[in-house]
Amino acid sequence: GIQVEQSPPDLILQEGANSTLRCNFSDSVNNLQWFHQNPWGQLINLFYIPSGTKQNGRLSATTVATERYSLLYISSSQTTDSGVYFCAVVPYSGAGSYQLTFGKGTKLSVIP
Amino acid sequence: DAGVTQSPTHLIKTRGQHVTLRCSPISGHKSVSWYQQVLGQGPQFIFQYYEKEERGRGNFPDRFSARQFPNYSSELNVNALLLGDSALYLCASSHQETQYFGPGTRLLVL
Repeated sequence: GIQVEQSPPDLILQEGANSTLRCNFSDSVNNLQWFHQNPWGQLINLFYIPSGTKQNGRLSATTVATERYSLLYISSSQTTDSGVYFCAVVPYSGAGSYQLTFGKGTKLSVIP
Repeated sequence: DAGVTQSPTHLIKTRGQHVTLRCSPISGHKSVSWYQQVLGQGPQFIFQYYEKEERGRGNFPDRFSARQFPNYSSELNVNALLLGDSALYLCASSHQETQYFGPGTRLLVL
């Protein structure tokens, strides 16, 4: 099956700093989503981005489908950004399926 | 609009028991998927249902089963619980390609 690798596994930032999280995937994808899991376990949708670039406030994401990677940018980080960030994909061969394959996540800690 | 809802929020069971978890999708969403997340890992796909039919099944034993009702809500059943079934169980509903997750049910098997 498709492999999803996220880096770095852990990241500690000072409040106000910027960061880039990376997601590599081993096959063409039909669907790519970024999620933020808060300390209570809720998975919050950040972006649906199988290709291209999107921005939402301090967050932006870019997926380069031909090179099989996606980047999540967090600018001016805040303590509320802490948590685990997951990248999840549906391979192109699974078109019509909603079966997401998740990476292991990047655990972000923002300290005041 | 209400998001995906799940019940119960927490559950404690003993080995060998069975458990039923419930999920109500976002209004208008016809697809429901279930995921298991053990501590320190990303969620793993268990089942997908669309219009009451099973559309996909992950690598889980037959002790796991699910169904979807005419109102698109869903149940996940796990029989003969093992200690290793302790996890956060997440339900997601989908409209087109984007999946939206509920708050999850934390299951502890003792």
